[in-house]
Amino acid sequence: EAQVTQNPRYLITVTGKKLTVTCSQNMNHEYMSWYRQDPGLGLRQIYYSMNVEVTDKGDVPEGYKVSRKEKRNFPLILESPSPNQTSLYFCASSSYPSDLISYEQYFGPGTRLTVT
Amino acid sequence: GENVEQHPSTLSVQEGDSAVIKCTYSDSASNYFPWYKQELGKGPQLIIDIRSNVGEKKDQRIAVTLNKTAKHFSLHITETQPEDSAVYFCAAKNTGNQFYFGTGTSLTVIP
Repeated sequence: EAQVTQNPRYLITVTGKKLTVTCSQNMNHEYMSWYRQDPGLGLRQIYYSMNVEVTDKGDVPEGYKVSRKEKRNFPLILESPSPNQTSLYFCASSSYPSDLISYEQYFGPGTRLTVT
Repeated sequence: GENVEQHPSTLSVQEGDSAVIKCTYSDSASNYFPWYKQELGKGPQLIIDIRSNVGEKKDQRIAVTLNKTAKHFSLHITETQPEDSAVYFCAAKNTGNQFYFGTGTSLTVIP
């Protein structure tokens, strides 16, 4: 089954304790992205990656890191989480954006993070 | 950067009626405009999309229109059904492959 998986699904942590949210896709997609969803703000893009070893900042990258060492994986790293990073996080993947291929993004189930 | 505004934030319609959600964008170079449906507890799912070189696209009860001059695009759902109840997001992709989402519309279809 084609899917994007995220782990963990729920996480409660304390300020300053480093954490990683994993994301994996089995569709051989080139493009992967992380979003955060907050009430009243919709989804905001944190980082995206066009391919292995290629990552770019989205609209709200402060306080986050990513890496893309393998095509299927795109972990989100919070080196020193703060309460304002409490949010619902989504990973997504799609084929490489081009005129010939759909830009459709497939979203994971989400990770609800609480930082106290 | 791009700014996408979405209206209304909530919408209630009677089953069988039509629903229209509107979005505007600021970057005239944006070239791809998807609409996503998000059900409770799930990730967004693409329902329809349109590229900047097309003015209208239809898929059964769902249609999207794009007015590049005015920089706005709309989602039209006809013959609404209770299972259409969800949160809908519009988005715009810029030439740098970044995506900007609207703030969402909570649609309720009343049986």
